[in-house]
Amino acid sequence: AQSVAQPEDQVNVAEGNPLTVKCTYSVSGNPYLFWYVQYPNRGLQFLLKYITGDNLVKGSYGFEAEFNKSQTSFHLKKPSALVSDSALYFCAVRVHSGGYQKVTFGTGTKLQVIP
Amino acid sequence: DVKVTQSSRYLVKRTGEKVFLECVQDMDHENMFWYRQDPGLGLRLIYFSYDVKMKEKGDIPEGYSVSREKKERFSLILESASTNQTSMYLCASTSGLAGITDTQYFGPGTRLTVL
Repeated sequence: AQSVAQPEDQVNVAEGNPLTVKCTYSVSGNPYLFWYVQYPNRGLQFLLKYITGDNLVKGSYGFEAEFNKSQTSFHLKKPSALVSDSALYFCAVRVHSGGYQKVTFGTGTKLQVIP
Repeated sequence: DVKVTQSSRYLVKRTGEKVFLECVQDMDHENMFWYRQDPGLGLRLIYFSYDVKMKEKGDIPEGYSVSREKKERFSLILESASTNQTSMYLCASTSGLAGITDTQYFGPGTRLTVL
């Protein structure tokens, strides 16, 4: 069974500082990894995904994530946080096995950027 | 842009009532999903559908059913609502027959309260 863990319920960072939101996964095959963001009272929005190729993936709003196969991690990063980045972030994983596979989401990490 | 709409943003129902949550997408996507979102639990898949009249159980299907009579519409039904079904319900869709690498497009969510 596939699973994904977001070890931090909340991350606080000062505006202008770099931010990291952690995600680790467990799968039996090659993973497809996603990050989504949820602003208050809204649905989830896609940020970025790793399918194959370059381990550093760049996405929307200046976010990027690094796929690390040996550490089974896919941490979300941004060089300089904005107050508007404050939101709930979800990591998700799928496994390629030839047929349809549902996605498994993490429990979410609340990012608070302090002015 | 893909648009996924849900029939209600907020809904209040009584225990035992039959509840219908409607979701419509306008991009001709094959795959549609219903999730519930609860604090500390993240998103959990209730049901998904990969074609008209086709449905598959997700991780927590008990107490729910679904209907997909048209490609663009996916309905979630609570046959007899209970207080433990108070939650945020999110609908999503993806293109492609397998949907493995495709991002999910989410609706704004329906916050259901069962009294």
